[in-house]
Amino acid sequence: KQEVTQIPAALSVPEGENLVLNCSFTDSAIYNLQWFRQDPGKGLTSLLLIQSSQREQTSGRLNASLDKSSGRSTLYIAASQPGDSATYLCAVNQAGTALIFGKGTTLSVSS
Amino acid sequence: GAGVSQTPSNKVTEKGKYVELRCDPISGHTALYWYRQSLGQGPEFLIYFQGTGAADDSGLPNDRFFAVRPEGSVSTLKIQRTERGDSAVYLCASSGQSGTEQFFGPGTRLTVL
Repeated sequence: KQEVTQIPAALSVPEGENLVLNCSFTDSAIYNLQWFRQDPGKGLTSLLLIQSSQREQTSGRLNASLDKSSGRSTLYIAASQPGDSATYLCAVNQAGTALIFGKGTTLSVSS
Repeated sequence: GAGVSQTPSNKVTEKGKYVELRCDPISGHTALYWYRQSLGQGPEFLIYFQGTGAADDSGLPNDRFFAVRPEGSVSTLKIQRTERGDSAVYLCASSGQSGTEQFFGPGTRLTVL
């Protein structure tokens, strides 16, 4: 059974720092991996989608990498801002249908 | 609309009552998913539709939960004889086709008293 783990569970950084969020999964046979942002009391906003054949995807200050063989993905956030404060969720799509989520990393960026 | 919409945004009901939660996917998206999120947890899969049919309902916790998508667009999640443990945020997502990027709605917060 696929399991997704995100470390750390919470992270506090000062504004301007570069940071890395980690995601690991137990079964490397995935279809794709998606990173989401969730603000308190809100739904999920899709940040990046990495197909199983890809190594990384970039969008603005965000860069997500995928190492399928080792069951790992990282989300790199450059020059963090207070507006980046949110919970970041990693999810794997194993069979082209349902997403399996980690519990998320709650990020707090102080000004 | 431009995104996935869900109604109501909040629903408070009493134990034992029946509730319906509605999801309007992005226009043209054939795949629709329901998830449930408890406090401090990631969303958990409930059911997936491809067109009008439920292609995978393995995540439904028991037979009190049922979902339909009669015309391949709007979907309704139905919960009978609600229990306090059903309290959670119910999220709907859609994608252009199975396996592509999923886009989520704002969710319905269900509270069972």
